Amino acid sequence: EVQLVQSGAEVKKPGESLKISCKGSGYSFTSYWIAWVRQMPGKGLKWMGIIYPGDSDTRYSPSFQGQVTISADKSISTAYLQWSSLKASDTAMYYCARLNGDGVEYYMDVWGKGTTVTVSS
Amino acid sequence: SSELTQDPAVSVALGQTVRITCQGDSLRSNYASWYQQKPGQAPIFVIYGKNNRPSGIPDRFSGSSSGNTAFLTISGAQAEDEADYYCNSRDSSVNLLGVFGGGTKLTVL
Repeated sequence: EVQLVQSGAEVKKPGESLKISCKGSGYSFTSYWIAWVRQMPGKGLKWMGIIYPGDSDTRYSPSFQGQVTISADKSISTAYLQWSSLKASDTAMYYCARLNGDGVEYYMDVWGKGTTVTVSS
Repeated sequence: SSELTQDPAVSVALGQTVRITCQGDSLRSNYASWYQQKPGQAPIFVIYGKNNRPSGIPDRFSGSSSGNTAFLTISGAQAEDEADYYCNSRDSSVNLLGVFGGGTKLTVL
């Protein structure tokens, strides 16, 4: 079964660092881009960035460039999303998803269940 | 970056047909994909490409497009179709990245 398993919920204080994970299984992890998507409470979905685990090529949406770091360890089929200094506004659900298709077809066919991040003093 | 615009809310009577729209310049050169999200759950994708359904998605879901607009049609809406629906396409101005619409809350009456 193709799946992405995300790490558990986190509660942090402002200024703390955090790294959450997304482990792929059931497919060739190095052959598909992984996307990170943010969903703030009661709001819609927003692209954060993508990584190709095969060579760690990473692209960021302009809104998130410099705010987070996306990485991957292909030896353990895991992608990561990290913050060096959290803010209350980072409170959200974070999903990882597998990107499929190419060219004009472009879709996220497998999703993790999400990681809830709560940042509060 | 590009934007995709969706109506915030749409309602449909049980068993009737509803069409959810998504507008944006990126749709002139890219297909939309559509995602269903129920409260407290991760999104699942329901339509991709020209009009393709992943396995397990009922055939009452279909997709189409015209110009800068993509459509998700649910023919014979069921109570379990009540959810938020998001469109997504490649962002034509940012290589390899995508953009989501703001989402449409579908209510089945």
